[in-house]
Amino acid sequence: DQQVKQNSPSLSVQEGRISILNCDYTNSMFDYFLWYKKYPAEGPTFLISISSIKDKNEDGRFTVFLNKSAKHLSLHIVPSQPGDSAVYFCAASDNRDDKIIFGKGTRLHILP
Amino acid sequence: NAGVTQTPKFRVLKTGQSMTLLCAQDMNHEYMYWYRQDPGMGLRLIHYSVGEGTTAKGEVPDGYNVSRLKKQNFLLGLESAAPSQTSVYFCASRLQGNQPQHFGDGTRLSIL
Repeated sequence: DQQVKQNSPSLSVQEGRISILNCDYTNSMFDYFLWYKKYPAEGPTFLISISSIKDKNEDGRFTVFLNKSAKHLSLHIVPSQPGDSAVYFCAASDNRDDKIIFGKGTRLHILP
Repeated sequence: NAGVTQTPKFRVLKTGQSMTLLCAQDMNHEYMYWYRQDPGMGLRLIHYSVGEGTTAKGEVPDGYNVSRLKKQNFLLGLESAAPSQTSVYFCASRLQGNQPQHFGDGTRLSIL
């Protein structure tokens, strides 16, 4: 029973264009959502988060959108750069029990 | 500026052997987590702790035990290793709820 779903295992985007990574969740009690980036042989690093009381959060080239009614969030990267090539994980947390549950990840390839 | 440190980085075990993975954080974080990453499975939560002396089960706790005797350390034990436990193990910590996690660089464990 997967509570956080990233249905696209991989995505290729031209350098300079917008990258859009999607994530769906099933648990309506999730109230805090995060995106992490992971390079090979390293631990995940935090990118951006959003609380359930907001529908958008922006940090430089990264914007996260949350649609609570659809139980869907997305990460937009504009413009995409070669260093953005990595695996991106979506994660969600329920403040009642402090678990953080991750999706399976999406591998982003930025093409020159 | 150590952050989250995992020991060891690599280990090869034989089936039935036991071992303990150590996670240490120097950020005075309350919450600590153990995840395993397998191909196509993303990061799955094994056990976690919301404070010194507390532990709780995650998504895939079977075959593992944990202890949090000191706030800065979170130990993951395998009492009788099985080939299915071959994986990359990540430890993470965070200050409190609705804060992002900081990850270590992982322990690559092979069970023969």
